[in-house]
Amino acid sequence: IQLTQSPAFLSASVGDRVTITCRASQGISSYLAWYQQKPGKAPKVLIYSASTLQSGVPSRFSGSESGTEFTLTISSLQPEDFATYYCQQFTSNPYNFGQGTKLEIK
Amino acid sequence: DVQLVESGGGLVKPGGSLRLSCAASGFTFSVYSVHWVRQAPGKGLEWVSSISSTSDYIYYTDSVKGRFTISRDNAKNSMYLQMSGLRAEDTAVYFCAREASGSRLDYWGQGTQVTVSS
Repeated sequence: IQLTQSPAFLSASVGDRVTITCRASQGISSYLAWYQQKPGKAPKVLIYSASTLQSGVPSRFSGSESGTEFTLTISSLQPEDFATYYCQQFTSNPYNFGQGTKLEIK
Repeated sequence: DVQLVESGGGLVKPGGSLRLSCAASGFTFSVYSVHWVRQAPGKGLEWVSSISSTSDYIYYTDSVKGRFTISRDNAKNSMYLQMSGLRAEDTAVYFCAREASGSRLDYWGQGTQVTVSS
């Protein structure tokens, strides 16, 4: 199963609403997670099962799905949200990741 | 607190071997599947391998099959990755991570650097 993430780079301002998309090459039955990674740090899970918010993650993060297309939305960007975001599928091995989306400050 | 701590990384020549360890604490290690994920310099995350709680299910990404072996010792709360036939393209930070119900990697170690170079 291939995951195609878009865009690869995203430039936005504090307060903006942003959307990142992850498209699966076949159905993955909602077994998709989203992670945030900052330079030099381990990834942090934000969303799992496509739309469930991980405990402790701010509610400005949300996930949705439509068929094989999955979306991570940040409703109002905060300074600490500028990072790289990855999706990962858990339907079948290999449990591969998307290529990543680097979110930069405009 | 849940903690995962990797060790064993270092500099190794092409064709060499290395054994990574992941020490777990703060949770019942024996009931969780655990994974290895790597990240080459300046690149994205790459899933490498996983092992189920009782070692019944073991999986690898294609590029490491036949060269890497994952194992665990629940009595020692530890997971291992034996790497042999190392190649330059195996150079990366290697993270261990716990798989939580609902299918996500909810806790990660800080990573250990593996560099394959002559």
